[in-house]
Amino acid sequence: GENVEQHPSTLSVQEGDSAVIKCTYSDSASNYFPWYKQELGKRPQLIIDIRSNVGEKKDQRIAVTLNKTAKHFSLHITETQPEDSAVYFCAASDGTGGFKTIFGAGTRLFVKA
Amino acid sequence: DAGITQSPRHKVTETGTPVTLRCHQTENHRYMYWYRQDPGHGLRLIHYSYGVKDTDKGEVSDGYSVSRSKTEDFLLTLESATSSQTSVYFCAISEEGKSGETQYFGPGTRLLVL
Repeated sequence: GENVEQHPSTLSVQEGDSAVIKCTYSDSASNYFPWYKQELGKRPQLIIDIRSNVGEKKDQRIAVTLNKTAKHFSLHITETQPEDSAVYFCAASDGTGGFKTIFGAGTRLFVKA
Repeated sequence: DAGITQSPRHKVTETGTPVTLRCHQTENHRYMYWYRQDPGHGLRLIHYSYGVKDTDKGEVSDGYSVSRSKTEDFLLTLESATSSQTSVYFCAISEEGKSGETQYFGPGTRLLVL
């Protein structure tokens, strides 16, 4: 089955700097890669996603890149702000079996003011 | 929030007792999921449903059962709770169609088994 690995587990950056979180997946059939942000005590919420027919997607300060050959994808946050502090999860899905999604273990991002 | 609610939101129970968690959705989504969230493990799928009375196991299904007798409700039962089932449980739905893979989560249930 699919396995998703996420690095680093913890990331601390200065406000205004960029943050990068990387994930790798094992199943070449995976074709959908969402990213979720979870603030303390809250539910995970989708912040951006990318499909396998696209190499990069941007939404304001966040962007996701996908390298299908290497089976890895990354989340980039530019000009970080204190409110970006949260746990971020990557995930992968092959769109079958009820759209089962496998999640990475999460990255705790601290943005220091 | 995709019209998803969970009940109870918090529960403390004792080892060996049965526990049922409820997920309720108001938007007639076909697919529903139960996850548990533990530090260092992210979100792990327990069971999922692809329609009324249609369910299947996820990666950590041992000790859990589910039922879906109505489109809007997906129940997760711990037949005999153990301390290892102390966790935060999230229900999710996914929408069919163009964004069929995207999952949206309920607010979560925090369960403590003593």
